[in-house]
Amino acid sequence: DQQVKQNSPSLSVQEGRISILNCDYTNSMFDYFLWYKKYPAEGPTFLISISSIKDKNEDGRFTVFLNKSAKHLSLHIVPSQPGDSAVYFCAASAYNNNDMRFGAGTRLTVKP
Amino acid sequence: DSGVTQTPKHLITATGQRVTLRCSPRSGDLSVYWYQQSLDQGLQFLIQYYNGEERAKGNILERFSAQQFPDLHSELNLSSLELGDSALYFCASSVGPAGTSGVDQETQYFGPGTRLLVL
Repeated sequence: DQQVKQNSPSLSVQEGRISILNCDYTNSMFDYFLWYKKYPAEGPTFLISISSIKDKNEDGRFTVFLNKSAKHLSLHIVPSQPGDSAVYFCAASAYNNNDMRFGAGTRLTVKP
Repeated sequence: DSGVTQTPKHLITATGQRVTLRCSPRSGDLSVYWYQQSLDQGLQFLIQYYNGEERAKGNILERFSAQQFPDLHSELNLSSLELGDSALYFCASSVGPAGTSGVDQETQYFGPGTRLLVL
């Protein structure tokens, strides 16, 4: 079952604009959420995380927002750069449960 | 470079065969995770080891098995291979399992993956 869903397989934005990647989850036990970025022929790279006690976490150009009531999180990239072009995976896990679930990924293309 | 190494990088084999994928975690990390990524699929969690012991099991087939050795490296064994086993296999490591002090313990760092092709 798909407990973590990324419904947009791809997203294209212009350089300098905002990229918004969305992720929905179904398991209310999830309390830790992460975003990973993946370039072709490389393993996923940790980008940013958020625990359920927060609703926002910011790291430079990257901000993750968590809406627990909607079981929704999003990753904002501002401003977007061509080097941000990659596949972004959303992941979630529950306290004391190592079965981290990943979404199918969203391919972001940032056009110069 | 995440500090997680995986060998081999590529593997081509035939149906019915058995292969072993190897992973060395980041220095200091006690947890090792295995994931499978098939075409157009997200990462599917297979299994996790923490300090040599199996900690969690995901969608791992009975034909697959894994272990973590005293030096903390891990091997994923895939047997009776089928065409559908062709995928990218990623290993990840973290400091500790979920539930340990601080969520930073849970952040997983991925290796570059092993691309398996079963013909």
